[in-house]
Amino acid sequence: GENVEQHPSTLSVQEGDSAVIKCTYSDSASNYFPWYKQELGKRPQLIIDIRSNVGEKKDQRIAVTLNKTAKHFSLHITETQPEDSAVYFCAASINAGNMLTFGGGTRLMVKP
Amino acid sequence: NAGVTQTPKFQVLKTGQSMTLQCAQDMNHEYMSWYRQDPGMGLRLIHYSVGAGITDQGEVPNGYNVSRSTTEDFPLRLLSAAPSQTSVYFCASSYGGEVQFFGPGTRLTVL
Repeated sequence: GENVEQHPSTLSVQEGDSAVIKCTYSDSASNYFPWYKQELGKRPQLIIDIRSNVGEKKDQRIAVTLNKTAKHFSLHITETQPEDSAVYFCAASINAGNMLTFGGGTRLMVKP
Repeated sequence: NAGVTQTPKFQVLKTGQSMTLQCAQDMNHEYMSWYRQDPGMGLRLIHYSVGAGITDQGEVPNGYNVSRSTTEDFPLRLLSAAPSQTSVYFCASSYGGEVQFFGPGTRLTVL
């Protein structure tokens, strides 16, 4: 089955700096790669996703890049703010949107 | 729309007890899934369903049963609770290739 690895497990940045979280996946058939943000005690919520026919996608301060050849994808957050502090999860799926395999999560701390 | 709802929010069980975690969605989504979240391990898929009457196992199905008699409901049954099942359980739903929406979670402690 699919295996998703996520790095780093914790990331601390100064407010205004950029943050990058990286994930690798094992199954070349995976075609859907979402990123979820989970605040303490809350449910995971989708922040951005990318499909295998696209190399990059942006939404304001957030961007995701995908390298299918290397089987890795990354989340980029620019101009970080304290409210960006949370745990971020990457995931991969063969059937887009269903049966997600998650990475272990990255705890992002943005220091004011 | 209420979205995805889960009950109860918190539950404490003794080893060997059984119980059912409830999940319902009002978005007419075909797909529903159950995940468990343990510290440092992300979310792991327990069981999923692609429509009423159809269920299948995920990564960690042992000790859990599911059924899908209606589009709206997807209960998760713990047959004989064990301390290793202490976790936060999330139900999620999606429509085909769209985004998965998560419920608020159930925090389960097995003593």
